[in-house]
Amino acid sequence: AQSVTQLGSHVSVSEGALVLLRCNYSSSVPPYLFWYVQYPNQGLQLLLKYTSAATLVKGINGFEAEFKKSETSFHLTKPSAHMSDAAEYFCAVEETSGSRLTFGEGTQLTVNP
Amino acid sequence: EPEVTQTPSHQVTQMGQEVILRCVPISNHLYFYWYRQILGQKVEFLVSFYNNEISEKSEIFDDQFSVERPDGSNFTLKIRSTKLEDSAMYFCASSSDRGLGEQFFGPGTRLTVL
Repeated sequence: AQSVTQLGSHVSVSEGALVLLRCNYSSSVPPYLFWYVQYPNQGLQLLLKYTSAATLVKGINGFEAEFKKSETSFHLTKPSAHMSDAAEYFCAVEETSGSRLTFGEGTQLTVNP
Repeated sequence: EPEVTQTPSHQVTQMGQEVILRCVPISNHLYFYWYRQILGQKVEFLVSFYNNEISEKSEIFDDQFSVERPDGSNFTLKIRSTKLEDSAMYFCASSSDRGLGEQFFGPGTRLTVL
């Protein structure tokens, strides 16, 4: 079964600083990988997805993630944090032959002024 | 922009009661899902539905749960006899494609079982 690990349940950065949210997956074959964002009292919004095309994936709101097969990682980055980035971020994996998403535990991002 | 809608936004019920959570997926989507998120925990898959039948379900989705697409627009999750541990946020999602298709999530229904 697929699993996803997000290192750090809480990450705090200053406005303008680099954002790095870590995600590692376990899979015997390269899966489809996703990052979702959840703002308070809202549903999950897709930030970006990796589907075996380019290993560096660009998403909305200036976020990007790099798929590294050798490290089984899909870390999310943004060069300069904005106050509006404060939210919970979930990494998810979808099996190539299945349809369910398996989510990580989530990382709460706080952006300090 | 098309979106997934869910009603109600908050449902409070007594233990042992039946609840029905409603979802209206995006109109041209064919694949439908339910997930839940217990407070402070990760989002968990419950069930997926395609072509009027369950295509996949998790170990959480036991006989107490059922799903239905009663008409061309609604997709429902029924919990027959609620337990305290069913208290969670329930998210509906839909997609146009399996595998590569993005799953669009609704805003969720917060279920509180007393």
